[in-house]
Amino acid sequence: EAQVTQNPRYLITVTGKKLTVTCSQNMNHEYMSWYRQDPGLGLRQIYYSMNVEVTDKGDVPEGYKVSRKEKRNFPLILESPSPNQTSLYFCASSFGGRGHEQFFGPGTRLTVL
Amino acid sequence: AQSVSQHNHHVILSEAASLELGCNYSYGGTVNLFWYVQYPGQHLQLLLKYFSGDPLVKGIKGFEAEFIKSKFSFNLRKPSVQWSDTAEYFCASIRGANNLFFGTGTRLTVIP
Repeated sequence: EAQVTQNPRYLITVTGKKLTVTCSQNMNHEYMSWYRQDPGLGLRQIYYSMNVEVTDKGDVPEGYKVSRKEKRNFPLILESPSPNQTSLYFCASSFGGRGHEQFFGPGTRLTVL
Repeated sequence: AQSVSQHNHHVILSEAASLELGCNYSYGGTVNLFWYVQYPGQHLQLLLKYFSGDPLVKGIKGFEAEFIKSKFSFNLRKPSVQWSDTAEYFCASIRGANNLFFGTGTRLTVIP
């Protein structure tokens, strides 16, 4: 089944404790992206990747890092999480090029205390 | 389109009522517009998209949207909603490579 998977689905952590949220897709997509969803703000893009070893900032990249060492994986790294990063995070992927449909993962709900 | 905006934050309808959710876009060259739906506790799913051609776009689950260039609008419509349409709806445009810019969303509650 074609899908985007994220782990963990739920995470409660404390300020400053490094964490990684994994994202994997099995559709051989070139493009992958991370979004955060906050009430009243919709979804905002954090980082995106056009292909292996090619990443770039989205609208709200502060406090986050990403890497794209393999085509299927695009982990989101929070080196020193803070409470304002408490949010619902979505990973998405698509074939490369403008306008291709993006497929979203199930989301990761992160709480930083 | 460079950005989109949604002005309806929460819409409450009774079953069988007609639905229209507003979405306005700002001009920025090529227009690529989308409507996504997020059912409670689920991930986003694409309802429909507009790139060019017929301005009336048909999507899944009986939804449609009309692109009106003169009004910078791309409103989502459904003639008769069902309880199962209760969800949050997001309008989106593309910026840059394939980066989605989402509106703030409209929560739809359908009362049986």
